[in-house]
Amino acid sequence: SQQGEEDPQALSIQEGENATMNCSYKTSINNLQWYRQNSGRGLVHLILIRSNEREKHSGRLRVTLDTSKKSSSLLITASRAADTASYFCAPAGFNKFYFGSGTKLNVKP
Amino acid sequence: EAGVVQSPRYKIIEKKQPVAFWCNPISGHNTLYWYLQNLGQGPELLIRYENEEAVDDSQLPKDRFSAERLKGVDSTLKIQPAELGDSAVYLCASSTGTAQGETQYFGPGTRLLVL
Repeated sequence: SQQGEEDPQALSIQEGENATMNCSYKTSINNLQWYRQNSGRGLVHLILIRSNEREKHSGRLRVTLDTSKKSSSLLITASRAADTASYFCAPAGFNKFYFGSGTKLNVKP
Repeated sequence: EAGVVQSPRYKIIEKKQPVAFWCNPISGHNTLYWYLQNLGQGPELLIRYENEEAVDDSQLPKDRFSAERLKGVDSTLKIQPAELGDSAVYLCASSTGTAQGETQYFGPGTRLLVL
C-alpha cells in the first residue's frame, strides 16, 4: 500500500535543537504531505512536496523527498515547546493516501 | 474562511446504542472524508465522498456503520449498534478534490466513548 511509516516513533529534544523525522513508503506517489496533530485536535497540513521535487522549505520546516529510495524527511529547525505534537506523513497517490502511525515529538522547554 | 466543523465534540454512550456524527466541510470543497483514529495511531479512512457519491467505502464496516452526504455538502456518519471497540476519535476532512492528492483540511474530531 502507499501507507507512510514514520521513524522514529517518538522523539524527545530540548528547545532550540533540531528535530528530524523520516518517512518511508512502498509505491509510486504523486506527492507526499506532512501533517501535525496536537493532542486532542485534528490534523493540520504543514507542507506538500511533489514527486518531481527534491527539497522544499516553509519557515522552520525543511522537507526532502527521495523517490528512488521511497523516503522523505521532515526537519524542524530551532524547535520550540509549541512544536510538541505528533507528525504524520501521507504519501499521496492519484486517488487516496494513507497515514502512518506518526512520530510523537516532545520538545522540552 | 471557516474550517471544517464537526459535532458533537464528545459523546459517551452505552454499547448497543446508536450514535451519529455530523460534519460540515469547507465551502466549495467537493471531497469529504471520514476517518477513524485510535489512540496512538494515524487516521484510517472509512469513507470518501466526491460530491454526494461515496467513491471509496471499502474500509467502512457496513454491518453497523452508515454514512450519507445529502446535496453534496454536510455529511453524517452513523453507528448502530455501537460496540466497545468503536471507542475512538472520528475525524472529518475535506479537500477540493483527490485526483492529484490535494491537501486535506481536518475538523477537530468527535471523541466517542462506548461503555
